[in-house]
Amino acid sequence: DAGVIQSPRHEVTEMGQEVTLRCKPISGHNSLFWYRQTMMRGLELLIYFNNNVPIDDSGMPEDRFSAKMPNASFSTLKIQPSEPRDSAVYFCASELTGLGNYGYTFGSGTRLTVV
Amino acid sequence: EDKVVQSPLSLVVHEGDTVTLNCSYEVTNFRSLLWYKQEKKAPTFLFMLTSSGIEKKSGRLSSILDKKELFSILNITATQTGDSAVYLCAVDIGNQFYFGTGTSLTVIP
Repeated sequence: DAGVIQSPRHEVTEMGQEVTLRCKPISGHNSLFWYRQTMMRGLELLIYFNNNVPIDDSGMPEDRFSAKMPNASFSTLKIQPSEPRDSAVYFCASELTGLGNYGYTFGSGTRLTVV
Repeated sequence: EDKVVQSPLSLVVHEGDTVTLNCSYEVTNFRSLLWYKQEKKAPTFLFMLTSSGIEKKSGRLSSILDKKELFSILNITATQTGDSAVYLCAVDIGNQFYFGTGTSLTVIP
C-alpha cells in the first residue's frame, strides 16, 4: 500500500491565486481528515469526511477555504483567494473508522507558501 | 527509503508507572522531529526537537533526540489515565514529513 498520497509536496503561489491541494487516502479507509500545521497553532483540524460526506467543517478558517470528496479515493482542499497567512503545511490523513485506537495514517504533507 | 518507526505499537500500564516511547528514523536531510499526542481527531503538539542531547520538558513529559543514533524517546512519568492516547512521531525533512504509525498508550487506574 502506498499510504496516503498528497500532492503537490510544495506549492509557492502569489497572494490572490487559487490553490488546490490533493489527497488520495488509503484504499478501504472511510474517514479522511484535512489538517493545517503552523508553528503558532500546531496541528489544527480543518474538516473531516466520513464515507465521502463532510461531517465537521468547523475548523475551516473562512469562506476562502473549501473541501470536497467526490469519491472514496480522492479529496481536494481549495483556497481561493490565497493570502500570506495561509502559508503552512497541510496534512491529509485517513482512517478506518471503528478501530477505536485513532489509527490514522498521515500523508507527507503539502508545504504551502503564499507570497 | 526514508522511514520512521515507533515502538512499541501499544502499551498498557498502571497509573503511576513511567513509560518510554521510542521513535527511530532513517531519513535524508533531517530538519526536526516532532511528537504529538492524539486522543481525538486533532493531534496535540508536544515537542519539536532539532538538536541532539537537549532534553525538552513539559510537566511529566520529556523528550530527547539522538541525531547520531537516529532516534528520539518520549518519557512520561507518574502516568495518569488522561495520558491514554496514541503518541505520534514525525520527522520533517524539508519538503515533506514522515509520520510513524504511533504508539497506543493505555493507562489503567
